[in-house]
Amino acid sequence: DTGVSQDPRHKITKRGQNVTFRCDPISEHNRLYWYRQTLGQGPEFLTYFQNEAQLEKSRLLSDRFSAERPKGSFSTLEIQRTEQGDSAMYLCATETGVGYTFGSGTRLTVV
Amino acid sequence: QKEVEQDPGPLSVPEGAIVSLNCTYSNSAFQYFMWYRQYSRKGPELLMYTYSSGNKEDGRFTAQVDKSSKYISLFIRDSQPSDSATYLCAMITGGGADGLTFGKGTHLIIQP
Repeated sequence: DTGVSQDPRHKITKRGQNVTFRCDPISEHNRLYWYRQTLGQGPEFLTYFQNEAQLEKSRLLSDRFSAERPKGSFSTLEIQRTEQGDSAMYLCATETGVGYTFGSGTRLTVV
Repeated sequence: QKEVEQDPGPLSVPEGAIVSLNCTYSNSAFQYFMWYRQYSRKGPELLMYTYSSGNKEDGRFTAQVDKSSKYISLFIRDSQPSDSATYLCAMITGGGADGLTFGKGTHLIIQP
């Protein structure tokens, strides 16, 4: 248990459907990050929050992606009109002052 | 050229050997350097966290950072089969606004 919980662990969806993932970070950690990891690659930065404010977005985050962090606690990542290229592991992380702690991720498969 | 280069392997060594894993990078603004271990279908697990140049040791693991050469290393002593995993280097600028930049990861296999 890393202290960062992600739900669901695995999601299979049909192309064109919308999906939403949730991240519950270690409490009292202000910065929360979303990353995407495809097979054989390192994680790639998507976006990050300082409390409830979304401060940075990668160009990888197309307009089909949206992230929220209401009240600066848990965060959600939604993908609309999923495409097969969205199949990946979606990872959430918090900054702990001595590094970044990741959750176990949500593995998305778009069929 | 990617910002962070890491040989994907696989790297296969016998149990008990010293393992050397390396990354090179091009962005001189990187100040914090990390090594993560990732088992299959799991999230990355932080192993080592260092700031700027120098060495840091933790048990069987030693991390080295050479900012003048833009080169970082992770050494694993007395390697065990349980060390078999993918090792990812990661780094970030002082401001941290763009998040961590990762290498591709090196797949390490420790043969019993």
